[in-house]
Formats: sequence, C-alpha cells, structure tokens
Amino acid sequence: AQSVTQLDSQVPVFEEAPVELRCNYSSSVSVYLFWYVQYPNQGLQLLLKYLSGSTLVKGINGFEAEFNKSQTSFHLRKPSVHISDTAEYFCAVSDQWTGNQFYFGTGTSLTVIP
Amino acid sequence: EAQVTQNPRYLITVTGKKLTVTCSQNMNHEYMSWYRQDPGLGLRQIYYSMNVEVTDKGDVPEGYKVSRKEKRNFPLILESPSPNQTSLYFCAARGGQGMDTQYFGPGTRLTVL
Repeated sequence: AQSVTQLDSQVPVFEEAPVELRCNYSSSVSVYLFWYVQYPNQGLQLLLKYLSGSTLVKGINGFEAEFNKSQTSFHLRKPSVHISDTAEYFCAVSDQWTGNQFYFGTGTSLTVIP
Repeated sequence: EAQVTQNPRYLITVTGKKLTVTCSQNMNHEYMSWYRQDPGLGLRQIYYSMNVEVTDKGDVPEGYKVSRKEKRNFPLILESPSPNQTSLYFCAARGGQGMDTQYFGPGTRLTVL
C-alpha cells in the first residue's frame, strides 16, 4: 500500500508571501499525484494533478506543483498567497496500474495572515 | 454541472441503530468511492466501486457495507454503528481510470452516541 506524508500539519503565512506545502509518497511504482483543497465546511476540490510529462504542473488559483521522482515528492507552491487561500490542503496518490485505490496525506492547514 | 450529492448532511444517532447515507452522481461515472475524514488522519478510503455490482474494500472497510445496484447511486450502510464511526464522510465519483478527476460530495457529518 502507498503512504503519503505531509510533514507540515499547519502553515501560517503572511498575505502576499510565497508558500510551499510539502508532500512525499512512498512507492517507487508509477503513480498519479494530486493536490486537493478543502475550504471550511465544504467537500474537496481538485487543485492540480500530475499524470505524466512535464514535471511542473500548473493548477487553479495560481498554484503549481513539481513532481520529483528521485525524491518521491510533489510539493505545492504559490508565489503570493491571498486571504482566500486559507484552507486545508491534501496531497493524494493512486498507482497507474489499477488507479482504484486512492491514498491521501493527513492534510496541511494553510492560514494566511493579513 | 458535475454534481455529487449526499444525504443526510448531518446525522446524530445511537449505537446499534442501522443507518444509510445516500450518494448520487449526475455524471454517469463508473467509479465511486466512500471516504472518512478524521482529524490528524486525513481521508481514508472505505469502499470503492468500479461499476454496477462491482465493489471492493478500501483501507478501512470494517463496520461498513456498500451496494451499487445503479450506476448513479452508491449508498453507505452502517448495520450497527459504534462511536468510533463518528466521522465526516465523503462520497466521490470519477470516470474510468486513476488519472480522471475525482468529484467529491459536500460531506455527511455523523455522530454516534
């Protein structure tokens, strides 16, 4: 089974500052990688996904993530955060062969400080 | 508009009283899943279904049942709920393989007393 590690459970950052949310996964087999955002009292919404090809993936709301196979990482970045980015962020992985089981990290709570 | 609906959104019940949480999607997607979300544990997959009458266990299936009699519906059944099943539950749907976008419902907050 896969495991997904989000080392930072809480990340406070000032408005307009850059942010990086870290994600590492366990498996060496080919995987699909995802970042989801959860706003308070809502379901999860896809931010971006890596399937293949370019290792830099751009998503919605100005977020991007870089896939690093050698380090088994998929860190999420944004160059300048807004108050509205305050939310819970989840990294997830599924393997390319079956794609049936999804494994989520424990989440990172991003708080943007005015 | 792609939509996954869940009912009820909030439920308080007592130990041992059978309950069903319904999930319905309007996208004609083959693949559906149930997750539970707990503080510090993230989301964990309970069951998934690849199509009608095809279901399989996820990471935490104990105490839960599912059925997939129609493509659009995927109910989650707790035959005898216990307090450790108090959680936030999400249903999700996507097409085909693992690369497809997964759409989540709004969640059902269940409290078992």
